[in-house]
Amino acid sequence: KQEVTQIPAALSVPEGENLVLNCSFTDSAIYNLQWFRQDPGKGLTSLLLIQSSQREQTSGRLNASLDKSSGRSTLYIAASQPGDSATYLCAPSGGGNKLTFGTGTQLKVEL
Amino acid sequence: GAVVSQHPSWVICKSGTSVKIECRSLDFQATTMFWYRQFPKQSLMLMATSNEGSKATYEQGVEKDKFLINHASLTLSTLTVTSAHPEDSSFYICSARVNGGRVEQFFGPGTRLTVL
Repeated sequence: KQEVTQIPAALSVPEGENLVLNCSFTDSAIYNLQWFRQDPGKGLTSLLLIQSSQREQTSGRLNASLDKSSGRSTLYIAASQPGDSATYLCAPSGGGNKLTFGTGTQLKVEL
Repeated sequence: GAVVSQHPSWVICKSGTSVKIECRSLDFQATTMFWYRQFPKQSLMLMATSNEGSKATYEQGVEKDKFLINHASLTLSTLTVTSAHPEDSSFYICSARVNGGRVEQFFGPGTRLTVL
């Protein structure tokens, strides 16, 4: 059974800092991994999808890396802004395209 | 593109009643949709995989007779919580894959269910 851990659980930083959010998973037999953000009481917004054959993906200020063999993924957020405040979830995809979610990193970016 | 909607966004019902939640893919067709549940301060847990024209596949521990799923068209899946009880109060979120597209899942905004 896939288990996903995200560190740190919560993070508070001043605006402008570069951030690193970590995700580890126990079963390396994945097809891809997605990063999402979730605002309070809302659904999920897909940020990045990394195929299992890829090492990283970039979108704007976001960069996600994947080390499948060691069961790790990292989300980098450059020049953080207050609008980045949300909970960030990683979800590796296994058989049947089923996603397993971590408990997330709750990010707060302060002015 | 790839927008998923849910209706209603929130619902309050009495214990013992049934509640239907709709999940629609607005600008694409989706043979496969997924239903998740999220309790406060916990992560999303997959409940079932919904396939158009066939029976849903439920995850271990999810009662198929309590959580009825119907995926009658390529743009609509419904989840009916039958005989709801307070412990069913949760945030229900659906997702959908674009037919013929990447395996990326797109999520709806969620439905907050409160059972009194």
